[in-house]
Amino acid sequence: TQLLEQSPQFLSIQEGENLTVYCNSSSVFSSLQWYRQEPGEGPVLLVTVVTGGEVKKLKRLTFQFGDARKDSSLHITAAQPGDTGLYLCAGRNSGGGADGLTFGKGTHLIIQP
Amino acid sequence: NAGVMQNPRHLVRRRGQEARLRCSPMKGHSHVYWYRQLPEEGLKFMVYLQKENIIDESGMPKERFSAEFPKEGPSILRIQQVVRGDSAAYFCASSGTLSGANVLTFGAGSRLTVL
Repeated sequence: TQLLEQSPQFLSIQEGENLTVYCNSSSVFSSLQWYRQEPGEGPVLLVTVVTGGEVKKLKRLTFQFGDARKDSSLHITAAQPGDTGLYLCAGRNSGGGADGLTFGKGTHLIIQP
Repeated sequence: NAGVMQNPRHLVRRRGQEARLRCSPMKGHSHVYWYRQLPEEGLKFMVYLQKENIIDESGMPKERFSAEFPKEGPSILRIQQVVRGDSAAYFCASSGTLSGANVLTFGAGSRLTVL
């Protein structure tokens, strides 16, 4: 069973601060996705990273895929209250399979104004 | 363009009753996935379907749970004789391509409460 460990589980910071959340596994993934989920809603895809060492930027969000494709990080610069939500990482199984999408438990992020 | 539509959004059932959750995929999408999310847990894959076919049901409990995606109409996740442990948010996602680099679009979920 492939497991994705996300840390921290909970994070509460002030508006304007920077933060990094992590997604780690002992398994290799062919790709990794980050989602944000708001209360009462479904997850919304933010980014997919495919290549080891890949870095993608989405405005104030920077996503990095580890060289060995076992881990990923999400860095948010100058966090805003609108960034509040549950951030989920999901790895796609390099061994194939019809679905192959394994989710972590998520990081609950609260940005206080 | 309507996204993935799930209904009901909230469902309350007593132990032993049946729960039926419906999912209409995005227009043009023919692949449907069901996930379950328990409080403080991640999304757990349940089943992957295409029209009239179950492709992967490795995440489905062996008993009481079934899913279908008929030629016409929405996909349905059916839970018979519900128990309190079935209380969770059930999410449906759809995609338009085979798995690999496909993008899943999630619905807003159906929240089942078993009394």
